[in-house]
Amino acid sequence: SYELTQPLSVSVALGQTARLTCERNQIGSKNVHWYQQKPGQAPFLVIYRDNKRPSGIPERFSGSNSGNTATLTISRAEVADEADFYCQVWDSSTAVFGGGTKLTVL
Amino acid sequence: EVQLLQSGGALVQPGGSLRLSCAASGFTLENYAMSWVRQGPGKGLEWVSSLSSSGVATYYADSVKGRFTISRDNSKNTLYLEMNSLRAGDTAVYYCAKEAFGDYFDYWGQGTLVTVS
Repeated sequence: SYELTQPLSVSVALGQTARLTCERNQIGSKNVHWYQQKPGQAPFLVIYRDNKRPSGIPERFSGSNSGNTATLTISRAEVADEADFYCQVWDSSTAVFGGGTKLTVL
Repeated sequence: EVQLLQSGGALVQPGGSLRLSCAASGFTLENYAMSWVRQGPGKGLEWVSSLSSSGVATYYADSVKGRFTISRDNSKNTLYLEMNSLRAGDTAVYYCAKEAFGDYFDYWGQGTLVTVS
């Protein structure tokens, strides 16, 4: 089955840059989407098609995708950014999510 | 404004059935593909099922194939997930999600809890 690998947790100092990865062989050939989920809330889209930001998402959020790794970058991290983040692709009409990364802002 | 309002979650015994609803507003359901995604207790997101914009093609995760059925009622602008032969492993918060261009999930419902016990 198609699997996406994300680190369980990432910590970042307040105001610094966090990089969350999503790995899979040749993921660069796929469109990768990223969702943020805070406790008790539904997920919401923060990056789509590798590097596009939906309306209302701060410019601090950016994405890239090449080779075997897709990356969500959060610049100038804020306490409000603490959440779980999931990457997602489609594979043969099946949506596949990574296991999720818990971002902690110290 | 796009909204997805979910209902139908409940406590059900193993082997039982349940139907989840997802009422859409702010857009016409039949113009978009839609999905159901679930999240078990303390776990990550798991895609469950998708319905194409035409309403003809349906797709299911192996874990629910043959037990769950996705459908919609265009007159009510509502998406459904019929769940049969429920198991403890189906316990989760279930989300409906709108697909943009059949690619990414741009809007999500608030979630509804299904407990099988």
